[in-house]
Amino acid sequence: NAGVTQTPKFRVLKTGQSMTLLCAQDMNHEYMYWYRQDPGMGLRLIHYSVGEGTTAKGEVPDGYNVSRLKKQNFLLGLESAAPSQTSVYFCASSPTGMYAYDYGYTFGSGTRLTVV
Amino acid sequence: GDSVTQMEGPVTLSEEAFLTINCTYTATGYPSLFWYVQYPGEGLQLLLKATKADDKGSNKGFEATYRKETTSFHLEKGSVQVSDSAVYFCALSEDTGFQKLVFGTGTRLLVSP
Repeated sequence: NAGVTQTPKFRVLKTGQSMTLLCAQDMNHEYMYWYRQDPGMGLRLIHYSVGEGTTAKGEVPDGYNVSRLKKQNFLLGLESAAPSQTSVYFCASSPTGMYAYDYGYTFGSGTRLTVV
Repeated sequence: GDSVTQMEGPVTLSEEAFLTINCTYTATGYPSLFWYVQYPGEGLQLLLKATKADDKGSNKGFEATYRKETTSFHLEKGSVQVSDSAVYFCALSEDTGFQKLVFGTGTRLLVSP
C-alpha cells in the first residue's frame, strides 16, 4: 500500500548512543517532515525538507540531524542520545501547492524511542 | 508566532452523545485550518479541513466551521460511536506557499458503550 513507512517501530537506546530513524514514502511527495510527539505538547516540528538535497530546521532541532539524499527518503539522526529525546517520532510527507490542502499530510505510524 | 489552542482532555462521552472539541488559533495571515485524528497505535490522518472564513469542513459525520471573527474551528459530531475514540488534533497552515502545519496539543476522546 502507498504511504509513509518508518523504521524501526521501537527502540531503546542508552544515553550517548547514536541511531538513525528512516522514513520512506512512495507517493512522490516533495515535502517531508519529522515531528516528535510528547504528552501535553502535541506534535513539534524537528526538521523538514522541501525537496531532494534540502533540509531546514523546525521548532525543536537541537540534538538532531537530517538528510534527504533521495526524494523518497528522509533520515533523522541522533548523534548522542539523551533522556530528553525519549518520545514518539513521526515522519510525514505532503505534495506541493494546493494538493497539500486537499490531501493533507500523510503520516507514518511512528517510532517509539526510549533513552535510558 | 502562530499557535493553536485546544481544550484539555480527556473528553469522556457515552455512545450517541453530542461532541464538541474546542479549537482557537492565533495567526498573522489567513491560515487554512485542519482537524487530524490519531487512532491508537497509528499515525495522524486528515479528518477535515477549511481553507477560508465561513467554510465548513465535514467528513465521517464530523463538522467544523472556520470562524474568522472568533478565530475558532470547533469540531462537532452529532452522535459519537465507540469507534470514534481517538486523539484529535487541530492544526493550521499559514498561506505562505509552504504548508508547514502547526498543531495543537491534542484532545483525547473516550466513548463508552
